[in-house]
Parts: sequence; C-alpha cells; structure tokens
Amino acid sequence: EVQLVESGGALVQPGGSLRLSCAASGFNFNVYSMNWVRQAPRGLEWVSYITSDTRTIHYADSVKGRFTISRDNAKNSLYLQMNSLRDEDTAVYYCARGFQWAFDSWGQGILVTVSS
Amino acid sequence: QSALTQPPSASGSPGQAVTISCTGTSSDVGGYNRVSWYQQHPGKAPKLLIYEVTKRPSGVPDRFSGSKSGNTASLTVSGLQAEDEADYYCTSYAGGNNWAVFGGGTKLTVL
Repeated sequence: EVQLVESGGALVQPGGSLRLSCAASGFNFNVYSMNWVRQAPRGLEWVSYITSDTRTIHYADSVKGRFTISRDNAKNSLYLQMNSLRDEDTAVYYCARGFQWAFDSWGQGILVTVSS
Repeated sequence: QSALTQPPSASGSPGQAVTISCTGTSSDVGGYNRVSWYQQHPGKAPKLLIYEVTKRPSGVPDRFSGSKSGNTASLTVSGLQAEDEADYYCTSYAGGNNWAVFGGGTKLTVL
C-alpha cells in the first residue's frame, strides 16, 4: 500500500523558515516524480515538482526564490525548505506522487501556519 | 483567483447524472490532454478520479467519466450516490514551469 506521511508543520512567524518532510513507503520511490501541493481556504495550489532523478524541478511563481524542493532516494523521502514565509503561505501542505501528469497518491497533509 | 474556472456548486438527486465543468485557455486545458480530476471529502486528502482527460485509475467506479471540448473539460458523475457528496477539483498542465493549475473547486450536493 502506498503511504506518504508529511511532518514538520508548525506555527512560524512571518519571515521565518520551516522544513517539511514526506516519508514514502509501499512503492519504488526512486522511479516516481513527486510534488508538493497546498490547500488554503482559497483552494488547492500546486507548489513544486521534482523528477525521480532530481534533474528537473519546477516551482509555482508564488514560491519561486523562497522554497526549495529536494529528495533523498536512499531514505525514500521528499523535502520542502520554506524560507521568507508570508501570511499567505498558511495552508495544509500535501506531498503527492506524480503519475501521468496527475497526482495519484496523496499524504494526509500537514498544517503550516504563518502568523505573528 | 484560480487559473481554471469551475462552478462553485452543483447538485443532483440519487441515481441522476451531474456534470461539472472546468474552463481554462488554449495554454492549459485546450493545449494539452493532461486534465485530471480529484474528489475530496471533508478533512481528507484529495483522491484522483480521472487523469489524461478520460482515464480512470484502477478502483475508481466507471460512474465517473471525463471529457474535453476545446478549452473546457468536464467530469460526469452518473448514478449519483450519497457518498459522491464532496468537493471536486480539476487541474491541468499549463506548460513550461506551470506544472499544474487548479480549478477553484465545485461542491457537489446529493439531494
């Protein structure tokens, strides 16, 4: 069974930093692209994408230059380093497995709250 | 404002069919056959229903079907059941760095 478990969410002040992790199990993590998707009251927003070999990375314009996606295939883990956090980054963050231009498995989500 | 436009709500009675639209542009929905649909129940993660416009992952009932015409994609739920009451989101590849753009979501109510 595919499992994705996010961790690292917290309450952080504007301008602060946070690192999210996603532990994957139940599938061959090494061959799948991975994504971060977030959900605020305004809806779902794709955040970032990384290929299995880390050669291709994309970011949404809203986080470009502030967030960094990475992965450790030896540890079956995906990461999102978030710097210069803003109020509008407050959301539930999901890691999601990439499949045929879609997201076929999702974690349970982790809450990030940016507030003073 | 979301990149793709969905109606905020839709409804139908048990057994009926309901169609939810997702309108984009020639740069996303109309330009690629890379539209997917997700179902989300309250407090749960989204679940993939349709990918590449019309394809269903294993385990998704064939009551769920997808289509596309021009810049508008559609999700049809046939034989509505109480458990279909949920939020539904579309998404599309939009080229370049815009890996995915989402619709604002549609709340489906089963009357």
